[in-house]
Amino acid sequence: DGGITQSPKYLFRKEGQNVTLSCEQNLNHDAMYWYRQDPGQGLRLIYYSQIVNDFQKGDIAEGYSVSREKKESFPLTVTSAQKNPTAFYLCASSIGRVRDQPQHFGDGTRLSIL
Amino acid sequence: AQKVTQAQTEISVVEKEDVTLDCVYETRDTTYYLFWYKQPPSGELVFLIRRNSFDEQNEISGRYSWNFQKSTSSFNFTITASQVVDSAVYFCALSEAQSNFGNEKLTFGTGTRLTIIP
Repeated sequence: DGGITQSPKYLFRKEGQNVTLSCEQNLNHDAMYWYRQDPGQGLRLIYYSQIVNDFQKGDIAEGYSVSREKKESFPLTVTSAQKNPTAFYLCASSIGRVRDQPQHFGDGTRLSIL
Repeated sequence: AQKVTQAQTEISVVEKEDVTLDCVYETRDTTYYLFWYKQPPSGELVFLIRRNSFDEQNEISGRYSWNFQKSTSSFNFTITASQVVDSAVYFCALSEAQSNFGNEKLTFGTGTRLTIIP
């Protein structure tokens, strides 16, 4: 089945540690996105990528980094600079530009601090 | 800046009742797109509908219907004869058609948690 796979489902981070969240899609979509979801705050955009080897900062990019070396993959690294990383992270993809194409989402990764 | 407001944080209704989820948006653009997504307990967001700003026709899909009114900047979602499987968090989102390169994004509301009581 075509879709978006996020792993792991649950992740724990120690103080000062970088962790990487995986996002893979087999929908042949050009655009991919990372969102952070906190209780009562909806979804906020961290980074997005419209094509391979290119990505743009979203509203809350500080403390995060991404790469887009392959069309299918868009990993998100939560660095030690992100002081409040506990949240639910959602990856999404779309056929084209966000303004008129629905985004398809993965099942999410829940990140917690040890 | 664009903004989406979902004033209803939580709603509970008894099964088979109708329920309407409100969505009010703000944008300076004349061309934009509105979306509704459903987030069941499993976590993923499921796309429900997209509507562009030039199409004010109401839409019905089974038990779901959407009422888009530009005059009041609202895009409300009604579930008729609700079922327990409708229990989820529902998000309304807005994107602007005119975007500079590097400014493509959806703006989400804070969501409405809907609980259907059996």
